[in-house]
Amino acid sequence: EVQLVQSGAEVKKPGESLKISCKGSGYSFTSYWIGWVRQMPGKGLEWMGIIYPGDSDTRYSPSFQGQVTISADKSISTAYLQWSSLKASDTAMYYCARLPDIAVADYYFDYWGQGTLVTVSS
Amino acid sequence: DIVMTQTPLSSPVTLGQPASISCRSSQSLVHSDGNTYLSWLQQRPGQPPRLLIYKISNRFSGVPDRFSGSGAGTDFTLKISRVEAEDVGVYYCMQATQFPWTFGQGTKVEIK
Repeated sequence: EVQLVQSGAEVKKPGESLKISCKGSGYSFTSYWIGWVRQMPGKGLEWMGIIYPGDSDTRYSPSFQGQVTISADKSISTAYLQWSSLKASDTAMYYCARLPDIAVADYYFDYWGQGTLVTVSS
Repeated sequence: DIVMTQTPLSSPVTLGQPASISCRSSQSLVHSDGNTYLSWLQQRPGQPPRLLIYKISNRFSGVPDRFSGSGAGTDFTLKISRVEAEDVGVYYCMQATQFPWTFGQGTKVEIK
């Protein structure tokens, strides 16, 4: 069974750093792109970027380039989303999601994590 | 960026009746490989999104056949043939033809 299990909710202060995680299981982690999606409170979905854990090839949305870093550690089947200096406007639910097998070369998110709620408040 | 526009933004529906959601893109979603990467997602209250339809009209594993997708180019539609109580939630279209990938603003389906 394919599963993406995300790290737990975080409460941080502005200016602090943070790294949240997404652990994949039930499939070959290195063969599937993983993406991150933001959902601010009461709002819609925003695509942040994707990473291919096999070689760490990464694509960012211009809206998030330079604001976050997406990475992966294929040895532990885990993708990450990190901030070096959080702002109150980073308060949101963050989802990781998987693309189909790279051999198929299809582009859509087939499996989703449960979400990590990040709250940034002084 | 490709802008995805959904209508309506809210859809009150009677149980057992059909529902239809439109998604229009600001430019063609036909990829250079000939595929159209338009998908539909459902987000039930308090839940993560769930894939319903990919590449315009392909139902994902486990999705009931009352959900169907259609369209081409810039105009796409999600139809629910007979709305059930478990279909309540927000529905999003998403394009993955061109970076950055973008979502529609969401359509809330609720029971009258």
